[in-house]
Amino acid sequence: AQSVSQHNHHVILSEAASLELGCNYSYGGTVNLFWYVQYPGQHLQLLLKYFSGDPLVKGIKGFEAEFIKSKFSFNLRKPSVQWSDTAEYFCAVNSPLRAGSYQLTFGKGTKLSVIP
Amino acid sequence: GAGVSQSPSNKVTEKGKDVELRCDPISGHTALYWYRQRLGQGLEFLIYFQGNSAPDKSGLPSDRFSAERTGESVSTLTIQRTQQEDSAVYLCASGPRAPNGFEQYFGPGTRLTVT
Repeated sequence: AQSVSQHNHHVILSEAASLELGCNYSYGGTVNLFWYVQYPGQHLQLLLKYFSGDPLVKGIKGFEAEFIKSKFSFNLRKPSVQWSDTAEYFCAVNSPLRAGSYQLTFGKGTKLSVIP
Repeated sequence: GAGVSQSPSNKVTEKGKDVELRCDPISGHTALYWYRQRLGQGLEFLIYFQGNSAPDKSGLPSDRFSAERTGESVSTLTIQRTQQEDSAVYLCASGPRAPNGFEQYFGPGTRLTVT
C-alpha cells in the first residue's frame, strides 16, 4: 500500500530562518506529488504540485519543493519564513483507484510554528 | 469563484445516532472525494465519485458509512449508529474529470463529535 512519511511532527523556527520539511513516499510508479497547507481555522489549500518536468517546483508564497526520484523524496523548502507561515503542512502523493482515477494519500502533517 | 462548501461546519451527536454530512462541489467538477481527518493524523480516503457513481468505496471503514451523490452536484455522507471513534473532521474535495483529476480542491470540513 501507498504510504507517505513526514518525519517532523512539529517544527519551531524564528522569523527569517530557513525551512525544510521532509517528505518520503513509497509508491514506485509514476507519481504526482503535492504539498497542502492548512492555516489555523482555514481549510486545506494547495501550496504546490509536481506532475512532470523540472523536479524543482515553485509554489505560492515563496515555497518550493524538490522531487528526488532516487530518494523517493519531495521536501518542502522556504529560504526565509514569516510568522504568517505558521500552519500545518501536508505532503500527498497520488494513489491509483480501481476506477482508473486517483486518490491522494497524505502524510500525517508537520506543524510549523514561526516565532516573531 | 465559489469553492467547495460543506455543511454543517460542526456537528455534535450522541453515540448511536445517525448523521448526514453534505458537500457541494465546485461547479463543473465531476470528481468528488470524501476524506476523514482524525486528530493528529493525516487525511484518510473514504470514497470517490465520478459523476454520480461511486466506483471506489474501498476506504469506507465499515458498513455504517454510506455516501450518495446527485448527478454531478451535491454529495451526502451518512454515518449510521455513530461511535466515538467516528469523531473526526470529514473533508470533501472536488476535482476535474479523471485522468486530469489529480488536482483536488478541499472544502472547510465538518467537525463531527460523537459523545
